[in-house]
Amino acid sequence: QKEVEQNSGPLSVPEGAIASLNCTYSDRGSQSFFWYRQYSGKSPELIMSIYSNGDKEDGRFTAQLNKASQYVSLLIRDSQPSDSATYLCAVKTGGGNKLTFGTGTQLKVEL
Amino acid sequence: GAVVSQHPSWVICKSGTSVKIECRSLDFQATTMFWYRQFPKQSLMLMATSNEGSKATYEQGVEKDKFLINHASLTLSTLTVTSAHPEDSSFYICSARTTGQGANSYNEQFFGPGTRLTVL
Repeated sequence: QKEVEQNSGPLSVPEGAIASLNCTYSDRGSQSFFWYRQYSGKSPELIMSIYSNGDKEDGRFTAQLNKASQYVSLLIRDSQPSDSATYLCAVKTGGGNKLTFGTGTQLKVEL
Repeated sequence: GAVVSQHPSWVICKSGTSVKIECRSLDFQATTMFWYRQFPKQSLMLMATSNEGSKATYEQGVEKDKFLINHASLTLSTLTVTSAHPEDSSFYICSARTTGQGANSYNEQFFGPGTRLTVL
């Protein structure tokens, strides 16, 4: 079982819709969770971090964490074509500083 | 805040030569930096953790004598790819971990723009 799992997609949503991206992780002791956006040919950009169960909202983005289910998600409201990218879920496990990345979900927002 | 730069952004070199890539945290001090490699359509692969003032910690399967890492100051880490070969061609990305209080107290990693290496 992979440590951090994401559906590779592509996930296609129409412009203006809500895009829902999901991630599961295997280490129950994980404490910190991050969502990165990566455009093709570019490096990842941090868009959200979440540490406690529940929802965290920042503009059009909402991260949701459920530690009991070992599940973290990212919702993007009012999706725009500029949101088309690969979204990487990253989990900080144990007491170290390393992040474990999922393989990413490709999102396509269609006009 | 939390800006990380990399230089060069791209480099083409001949097989057998060495290439040095610099990673700088511009507006914060980073005791820990990370070096990743990414092949086309694949996810990030952590190569090593670079700690200021001490030896880097390499991931399993990464040759420490081939990928030399130096973290001489709190704002600069370098990765040198020695005796580069075509199979080393990849996108090399560094990240720096924030420390301290306030909004950056959760040790978030911020990535540099990456260096695309092509070995002929």
